[in-house]
Amino acid sequence: EDQVTQSPEALRLQEGESSSLNCSYTVSGLRGLFWYRQDPGKGPEFLFTLYSAGEEKEKERLKATLTKKESFLHITAPKPEDSATYLCAVGQLTFGSGTQLTVLP
Amino acid sequence: GAVVSQHPSWVICKSGTSVKIECRSLDFQATTMFWYRQFPKQSLMLMATSNEGSKATYEQGVEKDKFLINHASLTLSTLTVTSAHPEDSSFYICSARDQGGYETQYFGPGTRLLVL
Repeated sequence: EDQVTQSPEALRLQEGESSSLNCSYTVSGLRGLFWYRQDPGKGPEFLFTLYSAGEEKEKERLKATLTKKESFLHITAPKPEDSATYLCAVGQLTFGSGTQLTVLP
Repeated sequence: GAVVSQHPSWVICKSGTSVKIECRSLDFQATTMFWYRQFPKQSLMLMATSNEGSKATYEQGVEKDKFLINHASLTLSTLTVTSAHPEDSSFYICSARDQGGYETQYFGPGTRLLVL
């Protein structure tokens, strides 16, 4: 059974304070690890797909990396508009519980 | 690209009535669509997988007769909550997978259902 664990549950950062979110997973045959951003009352917004260990992808202040057991979402110099819940998922159907990120001005 | 819409965005209904939610892929064709339910401050819970032209596959614990799913075309799937009760109140989100072969799901904006 696929499992995804995200940490921390919540993270408060000052604007400009870089940090990382963690997504640990166990899956029988990785068919992609997915990162999404979800704002309150809205559907998740696709960010990245990673398929193999060592792969990295970047988008603005976000960078996602992947190992055989976990993925990190690095946020560099975050801004208040980066505040959201970040979800990771494996195998399309198994989502983590998310990390609620708050960036304070 | 890869835009998914849902309609309505929110609905309030009386207990015992049925509610239909539409999910459309606007700029791509989706052979597979997914329906999720999300409670406040919780993650997404997969309800069912909807395949165009065939019966939906429901997750364990999801009542097939309560949550009717129809995927009549490559761009439209519908979820009907039959005889809705207050405990069905939730945030329902659909997603669609591009039939181009990649695994990425694109999500709709969600539908907030409140059953009185």
